[in-house]
Amino acid sequence: QVQLQESGPGLVKPSETLSLTCTVSGGSLSSYYWSWIRQPPGKGLEWIGYVHYTGNTDYNPSLKSRLTISIDTSKNQFSLNLSSVTAADTAVYYCARGSPVPSFWGQGTLVTVSS
Amino acid sequence: EIVMTQSPATLSVSPGETVTLSCRASQSINRNLAWHQQKPGQAPRLLIDAASTRASGIPARFSGSGSGTEFTLTISSLQSEDFAVYYCQQYNNWPPTFGGGTKIEIK
Repeated sequence: QVQLQESGPGLVKPSETLSLTCTVSGGSLSSYYWSWIRQPPGKGLEWIGYVHYTGNTDYNPSLKSRLTISIDTSKNQFSLNLSSVTAADTAVYYCARGSPVPSFWGQGTLVTVSS
Repeated sequence: EIVMTQSPATLSVSPGETVTLSCRASQSINRNLAWHQQKPGQAPRLLIDAASTRASGIPARFSGSGSGTEFTLTISSLQSEDFAVYYCQQYNNWPPTFGGGTKIEIK
């Protein structure tokens, strides 16, 4: 069964760039869409965006100006870069397989934006 | 952006009971609705897609219905492992959006 694992810094300073990587095991990145979704503490889920294994992407318009999602099929990884972060970007970040319906989710990683 | 509203926010239920969760969309989403379950400290899990199609491995006690703007998730004979938060998600329009969740707690 496919498994997804997020990795990256747990603390990011305001105005800096948040960078996360999702490593996929138990399956190939090919033929699927790969997504990022986040959940601020105590709040609901927010769709961030996706990357197709071909490299095509689509982003939530609310984040589009600060967001880059990329994929490295040779490493079985895809990544998220969110620039100019503020405290409002503090959240648990999930990677998932599938878009627009995530069928498998990673465990999530908490990223706190604070100086 | 389509707003998804779930009700109630919390349900207190005894094991063995049947529960119905509601999800309303701010405009028609046809049947482009999914339900996800999230237990504390765990990743969400896809339960239902296309309003009523159970995902692989999901027990038959979970059933979904609805179309347009009104949807329901019914859990029959609630088991102990079903106490969790349930989110609906629309994917008819971009970006996909989620409801605020319904928490099922033990009565």
